[in-house]
Amino acid sequence: NAGVTQTPKFQVLKTGQSMTLQCAQDMNHNSMYWYRQDPGMGLRLIYYSASEGTTDKGEVPNGYNVSRLNKREFSLRLESAAPSQTSVYFCASTSGQGTDTQYFGPGTRLTVL
Amino acid sequence: RKEVEQDPGPFNVPEGATVAFNCTYSNSASQSFFWYRQDCRKEPKLLMSVYSSGNEDGRFTAQLNRASQYISLLIRDSKLSDSATYLCVVKTGTGRRALTFGSGTRLQVQP
Repeated sequence: NAGVTQTPKFQVLKTGQSMTLQCAQDMNHNSMYWYRQDPGMGLRLIYYSASEGTTDKGEVPNGYNVSRLNKREFSLRLESAAPSQTSVYFCASTSGQGTDTQYFGPGTRLTVL
Repeated sequence: RKEVEQDPGPFNVPEGATVAFNCTYSNSASQSFFWYRQDCRKEPKLLMSVYSSGNEDGRFTAQLNRASQYISLLIRDSKLSDSATYLCVVKTGTGRRALTFGSGTRLQVQP
């Protein structure tokens, strides 16, 4: 039982390049989330998906798009990366059934030059 | 003012010490409260939920003070393995956007 997995673990991009961060969970959870974590800022919600087929913006969605491919997978795309998107990105999931406990993936460390 | 505020620390304590962290939240309608632990360069993991009456899990005790809008985490008999960043998390309202994370308090337990 792997929990929440993310790929890649590390990535360096040049300004203007695009990339997709992948996330998958094997806990049959309904809800999935993408956060970014910056020093001194705490975790900030980028997008979330309450259930398969739905996605909604969080606190800081600009510059990102998401796809809930199926119940297991939730990807985050940067169409044209900017240095301000240098951050650690965490994917999380929750069963969405009477519990708020979120289970996090190991994170992706992204640097945009 | 941030919705959830924490002293960033670091709190440097010797092994065996008792240490307490506080976290304040701004929205009086907040409903649920949690402490997460995050090790260096790792993902956050739930440490414990915080209940109105206070709750204990081994060496860890969490308290909620709704009147003053703060929650606390007390760690007794600190271990080296307790060294981490402790994130205060508050749920306000319903829906999937509702969790707000504090920026964390760093604890360093020294031998």
